[in-house]
Amino acid sequence: SSELTQDPAVSVALGQRVRITCQGDSLRSYYASWYQQKPGQAPVVVIYGQYQRPSGIPDRFSGSGSGNTASLTITGTQAEDEADYYCHSRDSGGNHVVFGGGTKLTVL
Amino acid sequence: QVQLQQSGPGLVKPSETLSLTCAVSGYSISSGYYWGWIRQPPGKGLEWIGTIYHDGSTYYNPSLKSRLIISVDKSKNQFSLRLSSVTAADTAVYYCARESLISGEPSICYFDNWGRGTLVNVAS
Repeated sequence: SSELTQDPAVSVALGQRVRITCQGDSLRSYYASWYQQKPGQAPVVVIYGQYQRPSGIPDRFSGSGSGNTASLTITGTQAEDEADYYCHSRDSGGNHVVFGGGTKLTVL
Repeated sequence: QVQLQQSGPGLVKPSETLSLTCAVSGYSISSGYYWGWIRQPPGKGLEWIGTIYHDGSTYYNPSLKSRLIISVDKSKNQFSLRLSSVTAADTAVYYCARESLISGEPSICYFDNWGRGTLVNVAS
């Protein structure tokens, strides 16, 4: 299978924790990576290898997963975290890139 | 520091060919990594277009494969996209990006460097 499924929209109160999920069979073969995209900007990787965080990404961002599901968790959500979030992996065959449909995070 | 600089027209006529180039600085394409094109129609999500490996191997989105050519010019350290017979549905912001792929159980893949994006309008 070459699809990754995300909830279209999630909201969270300022300072609270939020989890964004991504489901797909390919996640059994490839760890998910996660991207934050703000309006008018290119995506930025916030988590790769399911739980690894690039330098410069705040430690309130964390990743986890099991089986065919990956999760991005933001603990102590800030107003600047309001953005679209996309998961990414490859299809089970490994030759094609796959993106989830994206989750719009609203910080209340 | 790796930088990807995109260039190409922002307006293409229907039925013509969309051409974009991504010049890479701070890293030699010949040394490794996968180099990809991704697009995003206005108000919509990310769509993978295709990828070229440093050895010239190409991998295309099946839905675009018949119209698509991705190539690399190692002498200029850049890679290019050509999408033929465009229609309004090809209007999007086009990004180039570098992808790391690490084999394992499971494997790891992620785009660690992105171009700034080029808005391409298909209109007459």
